[in-house]
Amino acid sequence: GAVVSQHPSRVICKSGTSVKIECRSLDFQATTMFWYRQFPKQSLMLMATSNEGSKATYEQGVEKDKFLINHASLTLSTLTVTSAHPEDSSFYICSAKSGEVYNEQFFGPGTRLTVL
Amino acid sequence: SQKIEQNSEALNIQEGKTATLTCNYTNYSPAYLQWYRQDPGRGPVFLLLIRENEKEKRKERLKVTFDTTLKQSLFHITASQPADSATYLCALDSSASKIIFGSGTRLSIRP
Repeated sequence: GAVVSQHPSRVICKSGTSVKIECRSLDFQATTMFWYRQFPKQSLMLMATSNEGSKATYEQGVEKDKFLINHASLTLSTLTVTSAHPEDSSFYICSAKSGEVYNEQFFGPGTRLTVL
Repeated sequence: SQKIEQNSEALNIQEGKTATLTCNYTNYSPAYLQWYRQDPGRGPVFLLLIRENEKEKRKERLKVTFDTTLKQSLFHITASQPADSATYLCALDSSASKIIFGSGTRLSIRP
């Protein structure tokens, strides 16, 4: 099956610093990638949708200047949390869609961000 | 307002029994509905997709039903095993190819 990787799997940073998370589709080309955030014991909340070569579409309430998304190629999307604060600590998960399998998304393993 | 509700936050059942999880939605007209499994600290894993014109779908010990009149999907695991213990998420398509997730049901199968 299709594989999506995320790097790093876990990151701890100081308040005020920026953190970049990578999402890669390993064996298929992802026309669309999605970024989700999940707080403990809660469901996945969609943050933004990114299509290769175009600007990301952010969900209501998600600050585009704080969560920078770049989808530079069909296999890579990055999420940069800028000037991170403790309230940004969460589990960030990406998913990718190939367009070949009807509306099936393949999820990465997630990145645990802890901001001190 | 639009809602997706998984009525049980947690469900505990005896090994060998059938686990039944419920997903209800309000003010959506999904073309399909999906079920995912999520283990602690991991991303969701796709299990099954059922389309609006399908009443039931099966995959090994899993069965999903979709009632667009009741706006409800039921997810069944037959002959449950401790390894089935996980959080199960339902998800449906909203507009613009986005998938929206329910809050999940944490299933525990006791030996």
